[in-house]
Amino acid sequence: NAGVTQTPKFQVLKTGQSMTLQCAQDMNHNSMYWYRQDPGMGLRLIYYSASEGTTDKGEVPNGYNVSRLNKREFSLRLESAAPSQTSVYFCASSEPTSGINNEQFFGPGTRLTVL
Amino acid sequence: KQEVTQIPAALSVPEGENLVLNCSFTDSAIYNLQWFRQDPGKGLTSLLLIQSSQREQTSGRLNASLDKSSGRSTLYIAASQPGDSATYLCAVSGSGNQFYFGTGTSLTVIP
Repeated sequence: NAGVTQTPKFQVLKTGQSMTLQCAQDMNHNSMYWYRQDPGMGLRLIYYSASEGTTDKGEVPNGYNVSRLNKREFSLRLESAAPSQTSVYFCASSEPTSGINNEQFFGPGTRLTVL
Repeated sequence: KQEVTQIPAALSVPEGENLVLNCSFTDSAIYNLQWFRQDPGKGLTSLLLIQSSQREQTSGRLNASLDKSSGRSTLYIAASQPGDSATYLCAVSGSGNQFYFGTGTSLTVIP
């Protein structure tokens, strides 16, 4: 039982390049999330998916797109990377009860640097 | 928009001391509150989840309390150990299926 896994662990991009961050969970959770963590700003929600086939914007969605490929996998794509997207990206999952979110479980993160 | 604050930003205590970490939030209409631990360069590890109907949760040396009406939660760590050194984050969940995080308290336990 691996929990939440993320690939890659580290990535360096040049401005304008694109890339996809991968996330998978094996806990059969319906809800999945993408966050970014920046010094002094805490974790901010980029996008979330309440269930397979649905996605919604969070607090900071600009410059990102997501795909909920199936119940297990939720990917985050940067179409044209900018230095402002240098951050640590975390994927998380949870299983709602009666529509209310329960405990969140996090992946190990992807450390992205955009030059 | 929900605002979550954690004070102090950093805390240093001698080993064996009992300590309290604070978390406050502006909108009391929450479903639950979760405490996490984050070690340097690592992901977040869930410590405790308190549902809005609960007043407290306990796990080992950790005890988290919730006072929804005043918008406050505390994480009590008993008999602190050097291995407790980490950043502790709280997050609240409300309507809209979103979680809002504080910026964390960095704890150092000195041997």
